[in-house]
Amino acid sequence: SQQGEEDPQALSIQEGENATMNCSYKTSINNLQWYRQNSGRGLVHLILIRSNEREKHSGRLRVTLDTSKKSSSLLITASRAADTASYFCATVPPFSGGYNKLIFGAGTRLAVHP
Amino acid sequence: DGGITQSPKYLFRKEGQNVTLSCEQNLNHDAMYWYRQDPGQGLRLIYYSQIVNDFQKGDIAEGYSVSREKKESFPLTVTSAQKNPTAFYLCASSRGGIAYQPQHFGDGTRLSIL
Repeated sequence: SQQGEEDPQALSIQEGENATMNCSYKTSINNLQWYRQNSGRGLVHLILIRSNEREKHSGRLRVTLDTSKKSSSLLITASRAADTASYFCATVPPFSGGYNKLIFGAGTRLAVHP
Repeated sequence: DGGITQSPKYLFRKEGQNVTLSCEQNLNHDAMYWYRQDPGQGLRLIYYSQIVNDFQKGDIAEGYSVSREKKESFPLTVTSAQKNPTAFYLCASSRGGIAYQPQHFGDGTRLSIL
């Protein structure tokens, strides 16, 4: 069952602009992860943020998490054409049995135009 | 370089035929997963395995079967019982069933019906 829902479904921007994608989820989580998928390829892990964290950075990526609102956002600053991809959030339910089960949303398709 | 190799990249299935998708990893990861991705949607879990000779059904296991005889290999068979097999299939692995470990993905196999 899908838990995360990304918003918007599609986003089109110019190079150099910032891109913000949002993810909402329904139940409590252990952590939330963001992945990127280039067309026809597998997913690449970007950032993992734990339920007790509020913000994480990795290069041009900034992820925030608001557990009270059950939402997360991914900000890509100074976007490049190479950032064109689909971005997925995936949630991990509270720890039980040691299995890392990811529940994926439907993704945001980002297009960055030169 | 360490990674996950899926083969073939494209596969065609005839009516009533079973087909097997290959997934090999050299990351020394204990856990492996199979996902199905339909157009414009997130990933859905088919099967997962936390250790050799053990695997568990995911959310959509009907019509699929797996084996885990070696740590490096986790093949997926799409049986004739799967009536709608056309999809993009992704294999992933992680260091273990620990909630904090991100998953590493192969580049997928696209399966179509002839």
